[in-house]
Amino acid sequence: GQNIDQPTEMTATEGAIVQINCTYQTSGFNGLFWYQQHAGEAPTFLSYNVLDGLEEKGRFSSFLSRSKGYSYLLLKELQMKDSASYLCAFMDSNYQLIWGAGTKLIIKP
Amino acid sequence: GAVVSQHPSWVICKSGTSVKIECRSLDFQATTMFWYRQFPKQSLMLMATSNEGSKATYEQGVEKDKFLINHASLTLSTLTVTSAHPEDSSFYICSARGLSALETQYFGPGTRLLVL
Repeated sequence: GQNIDQPTEMTATEGAIVQINCTYQTSGFNGLFWYQQHAGEAPTFLSYNVLDGLEEKGRFSSFLSRSKGYSYLLLKELQMKDSASYLCAFMDSNYQLIWGAGTKLIIKP
Repeated sequence: GAVVSQHPSWVICKSGTSVKIECRSLDFQATTMFWYRQFPKQSLMLMATSNEGSKATYEQGVEKDKFLINHASLTLSTLTVTSAHPEDSSFYICSARGLSALETQYFGPGTRLLVL
């Protein structure tokens, strides 16, 4: 079967670093996506990993280990505007995105 | 690049009426468009996948006669909620993907539907 799991909620402090984990199980895999969704808005694309390793994009980095079925999104130098839900999703063998329930990130001053 | 628009952004309608939502890819050709629904504080739920020029594929539990999807061109897909009822009130979001199935989905800004 297929499943994907991420924590429901995390809290971090402005200026700090936070890592949001995502684990998945699937027989067919065509990459893992991270999206950011602010309350009341649609998701926006953050990153895509299909090969193992770390991809860095400014303050945000995403890591993938296909053998472990594991990814994380790393946010550095947290800002208040980073308060949002972070959605991970993997693309299965049918090119469908299978979505996690999202991690609500709360940033405190 | 990769801009997707949705119209309207807000709809308030009476129970029993039909509502049409448009989704457009503005700067790329979208072979596939996806329609999602999201209730407050809940996950994105995929309703259907539409490919240009063919019938949409609906997820289990989504009534195809109630949620009519048309994907007539590579830049436009429409979702019509027929005979809307208060329980259809939700945030409807479309996304579009380019010519390759491996491409990223880009989301429209969403449409809030309130059925009175």
